Amino acid sequence: AQSVAQPEDQVKVAEGNPLTVKCTYSVSGNPYLFWYVQYPNRGLQFLLKYITGDNLVKGSYGFEAEFNKSQTSFHLKKPSALVSDSALYFCAVRDRAQGNLIFGKGTKLSVKP
Amino acid sequence: DTEVTQTPKHLVMGMTNKKSLKCEQHMGHRAMYWYKQKAKKPPELMFVYSYEKLSINESVPSRFSPECPNSSLLNLHLHALQPEDSALYLCASSQGRGDTEAFFGQGTRLTVV
Repeated sequence: AQSVAQPEDQVKVAEGNPLTVKCTYSVSGNPYLFWYVQYPNRGLQFLLKYITGDNLVKGSYGFEAEFNKSQTSFHLKKPSALVSDSALYFCAVRDRAQGNLIFGKGTKLSVKP
Repeated sequence: DTEVTQTPKHLVMGMTNKKSLKCEQHMGHRAMYWYKQKAKKPPELMFVYSYEKLSINESVPSRFSPECPNSSLLNLHLHALQPEDSALYLCASSQGRGDTEAFFGQGTRLTVV
């Protein structure tokens, strides 16, 4: 079975500092990995994806993620956090057989001024 | 246009009511999804339509009845719901290929009283 794990329920950083939201995956074969962000009472917004190629993926709003096959990780990063980045972040993997996304439990990011 | 539109945004219904949630996309996507999301939890897959045919039903109770009238529309018919069915219902669409991201609507906040 394919799955992703987000080990942190919450991440707190100060505005202007770098942020990392962690994700590890368990997939047979090559994974299709995604990051989404959700603001309160809203739908999920796509940030970025890793399919193949360069291990460093750049996405929306200055976010990037690093795919590490040996550590089976796909951590989300941003060099300088903004207060407006405060939201719930989900890592997801594509179920190759059924086509749907399988989500991690989510990590709440809080950026303090 | 990368928009998935869901209506209504909010819905309050009694346990004996019948209501419908609607979802629309005009991106030419051939896969459409219904997810249920409880507060601070990841979305849970309910149904998948692929090329207008129901391809996945994740053991959802029959009081939820999906319908895909055409390639742009997805409905979720609700009947005799329980208070525990109160949640954010998210619609999503994708091209159906594993390497493509899914686009989510803003969701319908459903409260069953």
